[in-house]
Amino acid sequence: LAKTTQPISMDSYEGQEVNITCSHNNIATNDYITWYQQFPSQGPRFIIQGYKTKVTNEVASLFIPADRKSSTLSLPRVSLSDTAVYYCLVYTGGFKTIFGAGTRLFVKA
Amino acid sequence: NAGVTQTPKFQVLKTGQSMTLQCAQDMNHNSMYWYRQDPGMGLRLIYYSASEGTTDKGEVPNGYNVSRLNKREFSLRLESAAPSQTSVYFCASLGRLYYEQYFGPGTRLTVT
Repeated sequence: LAKTTQPISMDSYEGQEVNITCSHNNIATNDYITWYQQFPSQGPRFIIQGYKTKVTNEVASLFIPADRKSSTLSLPRVSLSDTAVYYCLVYTGGFKTIFGAGTRLFVKA
Repeated sequence: NAGVTQTPKFQVLKTGQSMTLQCAQDMNHNSMYWYRQDPGMGLRLIYYSASEGTTDKGEVPNGYNVSRLNKREFSLRLESAAPSQTSVYFCASLGRLYYEQYFGPGTRLTVT
């Protein structure tokens, strides 16, 4: 069963690119990787999903190497409003999910 | 569309009391989930329902039961509440096209 590990916290400045990596060493062939953002007192909100290589949408990119043992969420040019907790979430065995412990990103002016 | 709704928003229970947390979604999604989030922690899966009529245990199912009442509704029951169940409970449903879960606003439960 996949287990996930993320850095506890990261600091950045406005306008910088931020990369947050999640390790999922035991990931299985059919497992799928997603990332979520959570603000205080709210439920998590979907950011991006992927299986391997690189995926990009209007808010982020997701890099997954060939061995799929990690994934990196890339946020281009962060702003103060990107201060939040970011979680990787692995779908393991179909519908069952494993959340990472979360990375608290603090963006400074 | 309301998305995912949860009731109640807040609840205080005494140890040993029982209650049911309600969740409903209006997006015609097949799969639904219950998570708990302890203060300053990540989310942990309690139970999930891949489709109407099925339920499966997640990472922390002990002390909970669930019912997938129909395609829209997925309830979580605490039969005998314990202080260790003090947490914020989130319900979510899984979208059809991508692995995108839609979360409700949460229920903040305190057990004294």
